[in-house]
Amino acid sequence: QVQLVESGGGVVQPGRSLRLSCAASGFTFSNYGMHWVRQAPGKGLEWVAVISYGGNTKYYADSVKGRFTISRDNSKNTLYLQMNSLRAEDTAVYYCAKGFDSSGYILIDAFDIWGQGTMVTVSS
Amino acid sequence: EIVVTQSPATLSLSPGERATLSCRASQSVSTYLAWYQQKPGQAPRLLIYDASNRATGIPARFSGSGSGTDFTLTISSLEPEDFAVYYCQQRSNWPLTFGQGTKVEIK
Repeated sequence: QVQLVESGGGVVQPGRSLRLSCAASGFTFSNYGMHWVRQAPGKGLEWVAVISYGGNTKYYADSVKGRFTISRDNSKNTLYLQMNSLRAEDTAVYYCAKGFDSSGYILIDAFDIWGQGTMVTVSS
Repeated sequence: EIVVTQSPATLSLSPGERATLSCRASQSVSTYLAWYQQKPGQAPRLLIYDASNRATGIPARFSGSGSGTDFTLTISSLEPEDFAVYYCQQRSNWPLTFGQGTKVEIK
């Protein structure tokens, strides 16, 4: 079935780095834009970043621009989020999410498939 | 940035009752609005896309309406599994933004 499985979360000190992964299965990964969305403990949802189906186009939330990098490896059906210079306010569950559009061209999208999330805690 | 505001913050209703949730955008988003349901410890689930289209597998008791800046999610008759938090999200402008959520709780 269609599935996204995140990994790579954990506890990290402020200023350090972490890389999240999201393994996709059950659909043609290379056809879809992919997103990261996060949720701080007890809070709402915040969109983080998107990458186009081919990896050439990326957009970021201002809160992570310059610190986070989204990437993908279509040969491995895997999405990544490299997080540098982490701050306490980056503490959240990070979800990868599949863009709804099947043409692959629309990045400004809704999210029809979500992973179960991976927790990132930034604390000294 | 388009600010999306949901109301009320909490809705206390009984099973079988009708739920009406509101979402307002700070500027027009046309019909580029989605609704999600999230239960504790779970990822969000897409319910409605482009204001009024039910996603695959979503029961007919869920319906969405609206355009421009004002939108509504209606649950015609609440089932026990519908008690959850609901978020709206605009996809008209970058960055993509969500409302703060409406919790539908059992009265």
